[in-house]
Amino acid sequence: GESVGLHLPTLSVQEGDNSIINCAYSNSASDYFIWYKQESGKGPQFIIDIRSNMDKRQGQRVTVLLNKTVKHLSLQIAATQPGDSAVYFCAERETGRRALTFGSGTRLQVQP
Amino acid sequence: EPEVTQTPSHQVTQMGQEVILRCVPISNHLYFYWYRQILGQKVEFLVSFYNNEISEKSEIFDDQFSVERPDGSNFTLKIRSTKLEDSAMYFCASTQLTTEIGAFFGQGTRLTVV
Repeated sequence: GESVGLHLPTLSVQEGDNSIINCAYSNSASDYFIWYKQESGKGPQFIIDIRSNMDKRQGQRVTVLLNKTVKHLSLQIAATQPGDSAVYFCAERETGRRALTFGSGTRLQVQP
Repeated sequence: EPEVTQTPSHQVTQMGQEVILRCVPISNHLYFYWYRQILGQKVEFLVSFYNNEISEKSEIFDDQFSVERPDGSNFTLKIRSTKLEDSAMYFCASTQLTTEIGAFFGQGTRLTVV
């Protein structure tokens, strides 16, 4: 079936650097995308979302970019902090459905 | 800040036993969900629930699973006859409006079937 996947399983960055986490999706019927952060022993925490009629959305220190042509989603974290260390999941929703399909996750490690 | 709460945090059960996982969604939310995450794997959708009925379910959500909203605050997931492969983190989530999909997740219940 169609799936959402991540390019890099682990990303290690220095504190203060910018981080970019990537995600590829294959379902052309997806119209909504979300990034979640999951810390050890906790549930997924909503970070930012974007609808398919947009190509960029900014939040506090985070930016999500959507390239529908190549079915690619990225999360940019500015001035990465130790507290950003976690696993990051992209998730997508197909038009007309409620279910989110999650990617495999990327572990972000921030070195002090 | 309002949050989704789940109990218990950890449940150990014998294979073949029934378990009920409990969730209290955020109070003004309308859609409720269960997801699960087998250790080291992706988060997987199980079921969504709206207006006192299942609105969508995955192929994982077979006859051994059921959901219920027994009162105005709780939302439960029952697994009738647990199998070893049911061991996972189970997350409850909720959303406020029918147009919102960015679900808010609880901390999860770790189910261990032995």
